[in-house]
Amino acid sequence: DVKVTQSSRYLVKRTGEKVFLECVQDMDHENMFWYRQDPGLGLRLIYFSYDVKMKEKGDIPEGYSVSREKKERFSLILESASTNQTSMYLCASSFIHYEQYFGPGTRLTVT
Amino acid sequence: SQQGEEDPQALSIQEGENATMNCSYKTSINNLQWYRQNSGRGLVHLILIRSNEREKHSGRLRVTLDTSKKSSSLLITASRAADTASYFCATVSAGGTSYGKLTFGQGTILTVHP
Repeated sequence: DVKVTQSSRYLVKRTGEKVFLECVQDMDHENMFWYRQDPGLGLRLIYFSYDVKMKEKGDIPEGYSVSREKKERFSLILESASTNQTSMYLCASSFIHYEQYFGPGTRLTVT
Repeated sequence: SQQGEEDPQALSIQEGENATMNCSYKTSINNLQWYRQNSGRGLVHLILIRSNEREKHSGRLRVTLDTSKKSSSLLITASRAADTASYFCATVSAGGTSYGKLTFGQGTILTVHP
C-alpha cells in the first residue's frame, strides 16, 4: 500500500514562530504537493515539486516556502506563522498525470 | 484557482438509494479524478477518467465524462451509511507544464441515512 505520512496530526504554534511541516512518501513518486483546506474555500495548492530540489508555486504560495532535498520528503515551511495560516494542511504525492495519494493531514492552529 | 464547480453542494439520501454528483470545469483537461474525504481526514482517490474516455466503473461507482460540455458525474449506486463523506472532483489540465497538478472543486457533502 502507498503510504504518505505527515509529521503531526495536530500542531499549535504562536504567531511569529517558524513552523515546519514534513511529508514522507514511500512510492518513489516524482510529484509531491502541499495543499491547505479551509471551510468554504476547498483545497488550494500552495506549492508542488516535480523532482528533487525542483519546486513550483501553486495558487497561494505567499507566506510559505518548501524544501525537497530527497525524493521521498517534502517540507512546508511557514517562515513567520500568522493567525490566517490556521488551517488543515494536506500533503500528497503522485506519478505525473496519475492519481494523488494524500497523507492524513495536519491541523495547524496559530494563536 | 478553483476550476471545478460541483453540484449539489449537499445531498441527503436514504441507504439503498443512488447518489449522483456533478462537476463542471472550464479548461481542457488531461484527466478528471474523483476523491472522497471523511470528516477531518485526508482524501482518498476513487477513480480517474482520461479525456478520451466517456465512462468508467469501479464497484458501485460510475463516472461519466462529457468533454464537449466540460462536465462529469459520479454515481454511487445502492448507497450505504459508510458512504457518508465529502466528494471532490479534480482536474489535471492538458499540456505538458501541468505536471499533474490537480485543481479541485468545492465538493459535495453526501449524507446517507441508515
